[in-house]
Amino acid sequence: DTGVSQDPRHKITKRGQNVTFRCDPISEHNRLYWYRQTLGQGPEFLTYFQNEAQLEKSRLLSDRFSAERPKGSFSTLEIQRTEQGDSAMYLCASSSGHRVVYEQYFGPGTRLTVT
Amino acid sequence: AQTVTQSQPEMSVQEAETVTLSCTYDTSESDYYLFWYKQPPSRQMILVIRQEAYKQQNATENRFSVNFQKAAKSFSLKISDSQLGDAAMYFCAFDQGGSEKLVFGKGTKLTVNP
Repeated sequence: DTGVSQDPRHKITKRGQNVTFRCDPISEHNRLYWYRQTLGQGPEFLTYFQNEAQLEKSRLLSDRFSAERPKGSFSTLEIQRTEQGDSAMYLCASSSGHRVVYEQYFGPGTRLTVT
Repeated sequence: AQTVTQSQPEMSVQEAETVTLSCTYDTSESDYYLFWYKQPPSRQMILVIRQEAYKQQNATENRFSVNFQKAAKSFSLKISDSQLGDAAMYFCAFDQGGSEKLVFGKGTKLTVNP
C-alpha cells in the first residue's frame, strides 16, 4: 500500500465553477477525514467518515460543500459555485480507528486556486 | 472549544544541535491525545510523535522527544542532533479522546543551518 492518495494535486478554476476532489485512503482504514489548510495556517477539520457514514461536519463546511464516501472506500469532496475564499490546500487523511495506535495518515493534498 | 497555540512562528538550529519547539493547548477534558506533525515543503504531513494524556511518561521516537506537562497544558518537542532533513513546518495537534478531529496550531517553521 502506497498510502493516502489524492487527485488532482492542483486545480485552478474560475469563480462560480464546481470542482470535485478525490481521496483514496489506505486500504484497510475505515475512517477518512477532510481538512482545509490556508496559507500560513494549520489544517482545519472539515468532516469525517466511518466507513460510508458521515459522522461529523464542521460549521466551516457550508452548504456549497458536500462530501461522500459511497462504498466506504474512496471519498469525494465537491465544492459548488466556488469563491476566491475557497482557495486552499484540501487534505485528506485516514486511520484504522484503533485507539491504541491512533494515528491519522495524511495524503499530499489538492491545492485549489480560484481565480 | 479546544485551542492549540504555537508561539514560535519560526525557529532555526545549527546542524547537530538541539532545538525545542513550544506548544500549549487549552481543554477542560482529561482524555486526549497530542501530536507533533512534520510538513516538509511541498510534501505531505507525517506524524513525528504521539502522546496519550493518561501516560505520565514522555514519549520518545529516536531523536525526537516531548516534554508533556499536563497541569500546565504544555507539550514541547525536542529535536536532538538536528539534521538538514528536519527542516520543515512542525504542527502541534490535539485530539480530544473520541472526537476524531485534530485541532492544529499555526505551525513553527524550522530551518536547519549547515
